Amino acid sequence: GAVVSQHPSRVICKSGTSVKIECRSLDFQATTMFWYRQFPKKSLMLMATSNEGSKATYEQGVEKDKFLINHASLTLSTLTVTSAHPEDSSFYICSARGGAQETQYFGPGTRLLVL
Amino acid sequence: GESVGLHLPTLSVQEGDNSIINCAYSNSASDYFIWYKQESGKGPQFIIDIRSNMDKRQGQRVTVLLNKTVKHLSLQIAATQPGDSAVYFCAARFGNEKLTFGTGTRLTIIP
Repeated sequence: GAVVSQHPSRVICKSGTSVKIECRSLDFQATTMFWYRQFPKKSLMLMATSNEGSKATYEQGVEKDKFLINHASLTLSTLTVTSAHPEDSSFYICSARGGAQETQYFGPGTRLLVL
Repeated sequence: GESVGLHLPTLSVQEGDNSIINCAYSNSASDYFIWYKQESGKGPQFIIDIRSNMDKRQGQRVTVLLNKTVKHLSLQIAATQPGDSAVYFCAARFGNEKLTFGTGTRLTIIP
């Protein structure tokens, strides 16, 4: 299947700092990219949807100024968690949709721990 | 909107047996369905998909069945192996809308 990469895979940061997570579709052009958050033993919670070159659409309850999303190209999207706090600690997963079938593939996830 | 549920949160299967994971969706207009496998600490991995113009689709050791009449989707895994142990999510979508995920079924393969 198609490959989506995420970097970094794990990050530990101090409270108040900002963290940037990169998501790349390696072998296809993603018309749309998605950012999810997942709590332990729970399903995926969609945070936002982004299309290349346009502003992201955030789900209800997700602060757009807190979670900055940039979709600079058809193969790269970034999520920046600004002024991170311990409650932002979570597993963040990106997903990219593209190809003839518009199938959606997921990255390996980024584990964020805010101290 | 769409809601997707799974009939069982956990399922234990003897190694070598077949397993069936079920999923129900609510939006009859949903026309695309995907099954994902998620291992601990990893992102969901695409297993198989099916469009609403099909009833059945087969992959390697996996079969997805779609019953649009009762809005039911199932994933069959043949000859289960220890590596099949994971959480399985179904997802449904209408057109270009976002995917709606089920809550997941944890499949445990008993050696």
